[in-house]
Amino acid sequence: QVQLQQSGPGLVKPSQTLSLTCGISGDSVSTNSAAWNWIRQSPSRGLEWLGRTYYRSKWYNDYAVSVKSRITINPDTSKHHFSLQLHSVTPEDTAVYYCAREVGPGNGYNWFDSWGQGTLVTVSS
Amino acid sequence: QSVLTQPPSASGTPGQRVTISCFGSISNIGSNTVNWYQQLPGTAPKLLIHTNSQRPSGVPDRFSGSKSGTSASLAISGLQSEDEAIYYCAAWDDSLNGRVVFGGGTKLTVL
Repeated sequence: QVQLQQSGPGLVKPSQTLSLTCGISGDSVSTNSAAWNWIRQSPSRGLEWLGRTYYRSKWYNDYAVSVKSRITINPDTSKHHFSLQLHSVTPEDTAVYYCAREVGPGNGYNWFDSWGQGTLVTVSS
Repeated sequence: QSVLTQPPSASGTPGQRVTISCFGSISNIGSNTVNWYQQLPGTAPKLLIHTNSQRPSGVPDRFSGSKSGTSASLAISGLQSEDEAIYYCAAWDDSLNGRVVFGGGTKLTVL
C-alpha cells in the first residue's frame, strides 16, 4: 500500500520559490511502472495538473504549459521522495498542492491511484 | 474555466440513482480514457473509477462509469449519505504538449 507524505512551508512571499516535498513509502520513485505528479487546487482554477517525473531507463519530466517556464520537479532516489519547486510565485499560485502517484499502461490510459494529504500554500507578503 | 464540463451540482435521496455527466472533446475524452475521483470535505481526491468503468479494489459496486464519444458519466445507485462529496472527472488531453485535465467538479447532495 503506497503512502505519500507531503512537507513544506505553508506561506511563501511573492517572487520567491515555493518548495514542497513528497515522501514515498511502499513504492520507489525509480520504479518503471509509475509516474510522480504534482497537482494543485484552488477555488478559481479548480484542479490543475502541474507536472510529473518518471523513470523509464532514464529520467523524464513533463510540465504543464501554464507553468513550464518556472517549475521544476525532481526525484531524490536516496531519500525516497520527489520535490516541487515553483519559482517567481504570485498570489495566483495560492492553492492546495497535492502529490500523486500515476499508474497505468501509458499516456492517455493512466490514473492517479494515491494522493498526498495536500498542503495549503499561501503566497503573501 | 475547466477543460472538462460537469454540472456544478446534483442531488438525490437515499436509495436513489444519480448520474453525473462529463463533457470533453476529441483531444481528451474522445481519444483517451476517463477517470473519476471523489473528494470529501477537507481531504484529497480519491480514485473512484479508472479506465472509463473500472472500479479499484474497495470501491462499492454502487459506483459505475461509462464513456461514449466525447462524454462520460458516473452513476451512483442506492445513494447513501456518505456519498455526499464532490466528484471530478479527469482525462489525458493530447493538446498543449499533453496534460491531464479535470472537470470543474459536481457537488452531490444527499437530501
